[in-house]
Amino acid sequence: KAGVTQTPRYLIKTRGQQVTLSCSPISGHRSVSWYQQTPGQGLQFLFEYFSETQRNKGNFPGRFSGRQFSNSRSEMNVSTLELGDSALYLCASSLGGQGRDEQFFGPGTRLTVL
Amino acid sequence: QQPVQSPQAVILREGEDAVINCSSSKALYSVHWYRQKHGEAPVFLMILLKGGEQKGHEKISASFNEKKQQSSLYLTASQLSYSGTYFCGTDGSQGNLIFGKGTKLSVKP
Repeated sequence: KAGVTQTPRYLIKTRGQQVTLSCSPISGHRSVSWYQQTPGQGLQFLFEYFSETQRNKGNFPGRFSGRQFSNSRSEMNVSTLELGDSALYLCASSLGGQGRDEQFFGPGTRLTVL
Repeated sequence: QQPVQSPQAVILREGEDAVINCSSSKALYSVHWYRQKHGEAPVFLMILLKGGEQKGHEKISASFNEKKQQSSLYLTASQLSYSGTYFCGTDGSQGNLIFGKGTKLSVKP
């Protein structure tokens, strides 16, 4: 079974630009969650999508948005990039949901904002 | 609310034991444990559910004290491969997972 894939793996953007990250979950998984990881802060929850609907959302500004397609693939968009958005963005898929099922993480997208 | 992990870092020699703690200020339904090696994605270790059910893939033991809202991960006879950052995740108010800041474990030969 193929694992979770994320594209691109690395991105360099400048302040003010926008970026779209993609995540393909494990086949059969309907839940996709997104996390921002920065040194010392651990994994900060962004949002979770389940069957094309945003089910949960973390405490991030509205510049961060996402969506999920009918094949469970998910995209995350960050508009008007700021220097502080530089981070590793991880997505994770699970069968039904975060609290009860193990999550399978992708390798992440390393975003650098200059 | 973000769970608190302790210690923040620990250094062991091969064969030594370690305990990593995770505590929350709210009642918990579940506690998850993941390990992340440098430059890699976090990998699932274990879920502990309220009521005593546990699901895990490795021979790692953990406890979940529902009354104290605490969980502990026990690493016995540590191996070099145990090195990494350990994260606990607890269920948030909306059913999502909230992760702690992590415990960095270094196992030396």
